[in-house]
Amino acid sequence: AQKITQTQPGMFVQEKEAVTLDCTYDTSDQSYGLFWYKQPSSGEMIFLIYQGSYDEQNATEGRYSLNFQKARKSANLVISASQLGDSAMYFCAMREGSGGSNYKLTFGKGTLLTVNP
Amino acid sequence: SAVISQKPSRDICQRGTSLTIQCQVDSQVTMMFWYRQQPGQSLTLIATANQGSEATYESGFVIDKFPISRPNLTFSTLTVSNMSPEDSSIYLCSVGFFAQSSYNEQFFGPGTRLTVL
Repeated sequence: AQKITQTQPGMFVQEKEAVTLDCTYDTSDQSYGLFWYKQPSSGEMIFLIYQGSYDEQNATEGRYSLNFQKARKSANLVISASQLGDSAMYFCAMREGSGGSNYKLTFGKGTLLTVNP
Repeated sequence: SAVISQKPSRDICQRGTSLTIQCQVDSQVTMMFWYRQQPGQSLTLIATANQGSEATYESGFVIDKFPISRPNLTFSTLTVSNMSPEDSSIYLCSVGFFAQSSYNEQFFGPGTRLTVL
C-alpha cells in the first residue's frame, strides 16, 4: 500500500480564492511528521509547512495551513487567497519514526495546482 | 533554515560516463541526503550521507552506481557512475534539522538536472 496518497493529479483555482490539496497517509508508527513542499517549474523543492503527529494544533505558515485529521490519517494543505505564483506541483511527504532513527521522507505523487487569473 | 547550493545545476552527459554532483551547505548539519526525481515522478531517497563513514543506501540503490562522500558537516558529493539514459533525472541534495526533539525541518538544494544521451 502507498504510504502517501495524493488523489488529485491536478487542481484549478481562481486567483484570490482558497484551495485544499488532499493528502492521506498510512503508518503504524505513533510518532511521525508530515511535510508539504512546493515545486515550481524551475525544479527546486520549497519547504512549506510541517505537522508532527503529537502536535495538537494545526500548523500554519502565512497563507498555508495544514488541516490535520489524525483519526482519518489526512493532512490536507489549505492555501488561502491564491496567487498566480502559487501555480506549481505540490508534494506531501511523511517521516516515520522518532528522530534519531529514521529521517527518510516518503513522498506522494504530487498535485499540479494551476491558479487562473 | 539553510542555504544549499549544488553544482552543476544541469548537465548533458554521454552514456557510460560518470558525473559528480556537489552539495554545499552554509551551516553545519547533522543529516544530509540525496534524492532522485525521475521525469514526471515524485522524489525517491537514494541514500543518507554520513559524515566520516559509508553512506546508507536505500533499497534499489548501490554504492558502485551512486558513490557518496561526506568529508565534513557542510559538504557532500554524489557520483552517478556508468550512466545510461535511465539515469536522466533531477538529483537533489537535502539537509535536515533536529529541533526540540522533533525533526521538523528538511530543506532541499536547487537540484541538478541530468540528461544522459
